[in-house]
Amino acid sequence: GQNIDQPTEMTATEGAIVQINCTYQTSGFNGLFWYQQHAGEAPTFLSYNVLDGLEEKGRFSSFLSRSKGYSYLLLKELQMKDSASYLCAVWDSNYQLIWGAGTKLIIKP
Amino acid sequence: GAVVSQHPSWVICKSGTSVKIECRSLDFQATTMFWYRQFPKQSLMLMATSNEGSKATYEQGVEKDKFLINHASLTLSTLTVTSAHPEDSSFYICSAPSGIAGYEQYFGPGTRLTVT
Repeated sequence: GQNIDQPTEMTATEGAIVQINCTYQTSGFNGLFWYQQHAGEAPTFLSYNVLDGLEEKGRFSSFLSRSKGYSYLLLKELQMKDSASYLCAVWDSNYQLIWGAGTKLIIKP
Repeated sequence: GAVVSQHPSWVICKSGTSVKIECRSLDFQATTMFWYRQFPKQSLMLMATSNEGSKATYEQGVEKDKFLINHASLTLSTLTVTSAHPEDSSFYICSAPSGIAGYEQYFGPGTRLTVT
């Protein structure tokens, strides 16, 4: 079966750095996405990785290792507004999006 | 970025009635749109893929006669929940691919359905 694993919840301090991991097992791979979802709102696109390596976009970076079936989202200089759920999703061989359950990130002052 | 709207943003209906949810791509055309359902503290569950000009593709376990999908134009897809029951209460979200490579999914703001 297809499976995406990410921690259920993480806590970090304002101004610090946090890394949210995602491991996946899917039938084929055409890219990995990270989305941010605030409570009661729809997800918003953060990043897309299809090649190995690190993609940096401002305070957020996303890393992919296809051989390990592993990705992480790195958030720097955490702000209170970063408190949200972070969803990892993988495009399988049929370009169907397989979603992880999301990681709820709690930022403390 | 691309904008997707949904209407209504929330709706309360009585058990046994039908509810229609609209999903519109405002500044781009979408031949494909996706409908998701999300229960509290759970991830998105794909219900169906809406295709302009053809029948929707439903995920396993989703009743196509209960969740009617119509992709009437390149900017509009509708989801009708027929004979709604309290267990259908959920957050319904649509999305459409856009962007140069077509891989960015733009989500509508979601519709919160409560069936009493």
